[in-house]
Amino acid sequence: AQKVTQAQTEISVVEKEDVTLDCVYETRDTTYYLFWYKQPPSGELVFLIRRNSFDEQNEISGRYSWNFQKSTSSFNFTITASQVVDSAVYFCALRGDYKLSFGAGTTVTVRA
Amino acid sequence: GAVVSQHPSWVICKSGTSVKIECRSLDFQATTMFWYRQFPKQSLMLMATSNEGSKATYEQGVEKDKFLINHASLTLSTLTVTSAHPEDSSFYICSAHTGTVSGVYEQYFGPGTRLTVT
Repeated sequence: AQKVTQAQTEISVVEKEDVTLDCVYETRDTTYYLFWYKQPPSGELVFLIRRNSFDEQNEISGRYSWNFQKSTSSFNFTITASQVVDSAVYFCALRGDYKLSFGAGTTVTVRA
Repeated sequence: GAVVSQHPSWVICKSGTSVKIECRSLDFQATTMFWYRQFPKQSLMLMATSNEGSKATYEQGVEKDKFLINHASLTLSTLTVTSAHPEDSSFYICSAHTGTVSGVYEQYFGPGTRLTVT
């Protein structure tokens, strides 16, 4: 069984603040993939990153960065210098065999 | 990246009627398509997995007679909500994957269909 936990339901920050979204997962698979998606108010899912279980390197893409720690089964996501356009629901997801399991999502509100 | 479309993007129907939602992979062949359901302020829940030319596999608790899935070609899957009721009102999202390349495959999501049953 797979499980993804996003403990933070909502986060509200002022523009230019950094925000970190937590994601903890459970799986029995030795090979798996972790994802982050953004869902703006329009509803369409936007793919942000995929990381496989053998690659623990952290990644930075512009203002986004991800910290994968297999030892704690965590895959956290940080938005640096947040902007109003970052306001959305962010989902962490896990895929073991073929099913993609989503966390409950974290709603990020960035205030101007 | 690959594009998945859904039609319609939103639909309002009367209770008791059926509504069909189409999901198309526009520039790739999708051997497998997935249907998700998302209630307001909730996560995406997988409803079923469909492989081209075979019957869909439904997740536990999903009524297969109510949510009919047909995956007749490598680029089209349809979800029909039969005898819809207000509690079926939801955001339905399809997803398609491109097949494996070295054990890795990409999964692409459609823009979603918002169904309101009155």
